[in-house]
Amino acid sequence: NAGVTQTPKFRILKIGQSMTLQCTQDMNHNYMYWYRQDPGMGLKLIYYSVGAGITDKGEVPNGYNVSRSTTEDFPLRLELAAPSQTSVYFCASSPTGVVADTIYFGEGSWLTVV
Amino acid sequence: AQSVTQLDSQVPVFEEAPVELRCNYSSSVSVYLFWYVQYPNQGLQLLLKYLSGSTLVKGINGFEAEFNKSQTSFHLRKPSVHISDTAEYFCAVSDGGYGGSQGNLIFGKGTKLSVKP
Repeated sequence: NAGVTQTPKFRILKIGQSMTLQCTQDMNHNYMYWYRQDPGMGLKLIYYSVGAGITDKGEVPNGYNVSRSTTEDFPLRLELAAPSQTSVYFCASSPTGVVADTIYFGEGSWLTVV
Repeated sequence: AQSVTQLDSQVPVFEEAPVELRCNYSSSVSVYLFWYVQYPNQGLQLLLKYLSGSTLVKGINGFEAEFNKSQTSFHLRKPSVHISDTAEYFCAVSDGGYGGSQGNLIFGKGTKLSVKP
């Protein structure tokens, strides 16, 4: 079972560069999420999506953009990378948005901005 | 607003000893509580969750947690740990959902459990 797949696993960016973190899930889940995890901190929600074509901001959306053209894919784009965006990024999905369902996390993408 | 406090950032313990990882929460509405485990260079995996009913919740890998409403706590316990339990553990609270209109999932800062032989 693939579950939630993220690419790349590791990436080093220079300040001002842009990149896209890819996320794909094969569980036909409606809800998808992007979190970031800074050292010594818990995860914080960047963006989420309740279905294809529908996205909304989470707690820390500045500097990021998302799109959801299909149920399976939820890419996260970083524009004009800054050192403050050095973090571990996790994509996740759930069938619905309620806690009675389980949320499944990808293995993470380690991003360093220098 | 909800918040989660994990009282210990690091917990070293010897193999086969018992362990308790402490978690306190703050919420003005109904709470749903979670413990997640993160092994090195991996994503988060659900250990257990409290939604309603019995306050003692059993999870995977021999872990359990007790919901204490009066103390606003949800401590994680295991009677005998193994080397393979070495990981970071996150407590989280939700008011109904994982993000957006259904509610939000708020994480604590994590506790690193280090099991030594």
